[in-house]
Amino acid sequence: AQSVAQPEDQVNVAEGNPLTVKCTYSVSGNPYLFWYVQYPNRGLQFLLKYITGDNLVKGSYGFEAEFNKSQTSFHLKKPSALVSDSALYFCAVRDKGHGGSQGNLIFGKGTKLSVKP
Amino acid sequence: ETGVTQSPTHLIKTRGQQVTLRCSSQSGHNTVSWYQQALGQGPQFIFQYYREEENGRGNFPPRFSGLQFPNYSSELNVNALELDDSALYLCASSLRLSTDTQYFGPGTRLTVL
Repeated sequence: AQSVAQPEDQVNVAEGNPLTVKCTYSVSGNPYLFWYVQYPNRGLQFLLKYITGDNLVKGSYGFEAEFNKSQTSFHLKKPSALVSDSALYFCAVRDKGHGGSQGNLIFGKGTKLSVKP
Repeated sequence: ETGVTQSPTHLIKTRGQQVTLRCSSQSGHNTVSWYQQALGQGPQFIFQYYREEENGRGNFPPRFSGLQFPNYSSELNVNALELDDSALYLCASSLRLSTDTQYFGPGTRLTVL
């Protein structure tokens, strides 16, 4: 079965420090990977995706993610965190199975990022 | 370019009732997917509509049903509401390509009492 794991429920970072939010995946074949952010009482906002090509993907708001096939990881990173980055972050993989849900997104449980001034 | 919109924002129903949630897709998108996000969880796929037909379904019972209209807007209907149906319901629109990004609306918060 295809799945995504976000091993940390919460990540705490001081403003100005680099941040990393971890994600590992389990899929058959080449994965299509996504990161979304959710602010309180809001829907999901797309940050970036990896389909193919360069392992370092750059996205919105200064975020980037590194695809590592050998470690089956797709960690989200930002060189310098802002207080406004505090939110819930979701990693997702496109379902490439053969069932009825093929083509849709399988999400992790989310990681709460807290950036303190 | 208009983003994905959903209505209503909030809804309170009682157990056993029926509810209809609405979604307007982003301009140019022909595919709509619906997700359920329970408190503290990631979104779970309910179903997808492409050109007015159900194109895929997750592990949800038949009392969850939907429609897509010629303008690609969509409805999610839930019959015989249960307490566990309380959640944020998210609609996402995209093109049908497997590599395409799904863009989400703000969601409808459903509370079942």
